[in-house]
Amino acid sequence: GQQLNQSPQSMFIQEGEDVSMNCTSSSIFNTWLWYKQEPGEGPVLLIALYKAGELTSNGRLTAQFGITRKDSFLNISASIPSDVGIYFCAGRLQGAQKLVFGQGTRLTINP
Amino acid sequence: ETGVTQSPTHLIKTRGQQVTLRCSSQSGHNTVSWYQQALGQGPQFIFQYYREEENGRGNFPPRFSGLQFPNYSSELNVNALELDDSALYLCASSFSGTSYEQYFGPGTRLTVT
Repeated sequence: GQQLNQSPQSMFIQEGEDVSMNCTSSSIFNTWLWYKQEPGEGPVLLIALYKAGELTSNGRLTAQFGITRKDSFLNISASIPSDVGIYFCAGRLQGAQKLVFGQGTRLTINP
Repeated sequence: ETGVTQSPTHLIKTRGQQVTLRCSSQSGHNTVSWYQQALGQGPQFIFQYYREEENGRGNFPPRFSGLQFPNYSSELNVNALELDDSALYLCASSFSGTSYEQYFGPGTRLTVT
């Protein structure tokens, strides 16, 4: 089935640094979403992207829908301790109901 | 606005038993999707319900079944539990017009011994 390759798998950064992560696929997706999950909780929707090339921000978070429609990127600027968690990308194929998730990027911040 | 709720929070079952997990969708949403999340992995799509019917299914065996009720709440039933069924089960609700924006509940942690 479809797979999303998310990288990096984990990141260890200092507070205040910027963060970049990405998701790639061999398939073309019509929608890309980015979620954050904290321990003991369900994923929380951060950003949804609908058009190739689209750039959308949510506070310090910015995500882009890749031009090829096979990738997406998430950037976090000026990281703070509450950014700690696991970030997942998810894509939706045209006509499909399901979301396909990446393996997640675990973000750890050193104060 | 009420978010997605799930019950129970945790559950321990024995191999071979059956389990029912419950989900109440976010107000204004009419579609419910269920996902299985193994430890250290991303969620895997089980199925989706819309208008009380299954509307898409992932690569899960028939012993995984579900229901959706007129108030849009949903149940996930798993028969003949196996050890590998131990996971976090997530319910996500959405509105059919924008079903790709799925909002998740906190999940039910199922342990099969």
